[in-house]
Amino acid sequence: GDSVTQMEGPVTLSEEACLTINCTYTATGYPSLFWYVQYPGEGLQLLLKATKADDKGSNKGFEATYRKETTSFHLEKGSVQVSDSAVYFCALISNAGGTSYGKLTFGQGTILTVHP
Amino acid sequence: ETGVTQTPRHLVMGMTNKKSLKCEQHLGHNAMYWYKQSAKKPLELMFVYNFKEQTENNSVPSRFSPECPNSSHLFLHLHTLQPEDSALYLCASSPTGGRINYGYTFGSGTRLTVV
Repeated sequence: GDSVTQMEGPVTLSEEACLTINCTYTATGYPSLFWYVQYPGEGLQLLLKATKADDKGSNKGFEATYRKETTSFHLEKGSVQVSDSAVYFCALISNAGGTSYGKLTFGQGTILTVHP
Repeated sequence: ETGVTQTPRHLVMGMTNKKSLKCEQHLGHNAMYWYKQSAKKPLELMFVYNFKEQTENNSVPSRFSPECPNSSHLFLHLHTLQPEDSALYLCASSPTGGRINYGYTFGSGTRLTVV
């Protein structure tokens, strides 16, 4: 079945540091890839997505590129802020299961803490 | 506001109480989901409804009873819960067919504490 593996956390950085959170996946067919973010006490918000190979998703200074050859979708940001402290989830949707709604498979989440 | 509204945001209930969680979306999505998020555990998919019909029940105890009267509303009825059921309950919705790559939209969740 489909699976998503993301780097273990927690990740602790100083403000303005560079961020990379690794994410790799296993899926049949051609999945769409997502990063969701969960701020403290909140639900999950879609951060960015990419729907085909070599697509780059970007939002709020975060970027991730759909790499089919390495089955990866690493999240990057050049300069993090305290307000980026949250839990980040890598995920994929495939319809390999034959359903009309697409099955969302999550990684385990990575906790990011940014200090001033 | 994400487009998926969950009420209440916080709920404290005794083990003998009966309560319900509500989820509402007006995004035109036809699939709706209940997830459980416990501390230090992965997100757990509980139930899936597609066009008001339940299509997945991932071995959820019968003390959790979902209801989907239409494609815009989803309920989770709770009765005789256990303390280990304390968690954040998240509702989500998604489009179907050719729009599945839009992703899921999540609500802000209901923080449930069972005492």
